[in-house]
Amino acid sequence: QVQLVQSGAEVKRPGASVQVSCEASGYTFTVYYIHWVRQAPGHGLEWMGRINPNNGATNYAQKFRGRVTMTSDTSIRTGYMELSGLTPDDTAVYYCARAVSDYNWFDPWGQGTLVTVSS
Amino acid sequence: QSLLTQSPSASGTPGQRVPISCSGSSSNIGRHAVSWYQQLPGMAPRLLIYSDNQRPSGVPDRFSASKSGTSASLAISGLRSEDEADYYCATWDDSLNGWVFGGGTKLAVL
Repeated sequence: QVQLVQSGAEVKRPGASVQVSCEASGYTFTVYYIHWVRQAPGHGLEWMGRINPNNGATNYAQKFRGRVTMTSDTSIRTGYMELSGLTPDDTAVYYCARAVSDYNWFDPWGQGTLVTVSS
Repeated sequence: QSLLTQSPSASGTPGQRVPISCSGSSSNIGRHAVSWYQQLPGMAPRLLIYSDNQRPSGVPDRFSASKSGTSASLAISGLRSEDEADYYCATWDDSLNGWVFGGGTKLAVL
């Protein structure tokens, strides 16, 4: 079955960077975009951006431009999201999700990765 | 402040029909398909509705959705205790050139 499995929880100091991975299985990896969505504790969902694994093209939400980098490795069917310059406000659960294009729905979602930023 | 507006909460008793609304604008809902997501407590979101009103396989037909102009709505009929969750609408926004989510509606089954 189609599945996205994310890396484990991280604890980071303010100013550090974090990389979260998202391993895909059950479908042709290069046919679907990988989107990243985060959810701060007690808050709603926030779209961060996406990568097209077929050609590496990215589209980042304006809020995160300059701080986020999304990459993919087609040989191991894995997408990555790196966020730099972490502050406590970046404490959140980070999700990856699959979509066939920019305008289509997200399905499925990864299980989520909790990133805690604390001194 | 999200570009898609949802009521923060909704409630109903078992068996009832509960509507959840999502209001947007001509740059998002007015031009693009809406999807809905259910997030059970402590879980990742899951797709509930896509392309405004289509149910993925495995989603009960108690869940239905519609769209008119710049607003969309989700309806849950025959409410069950396991429907207690957060519900989010989402769509593409042309002005942001990105996705937007509603703030979410927390559904309580009384």
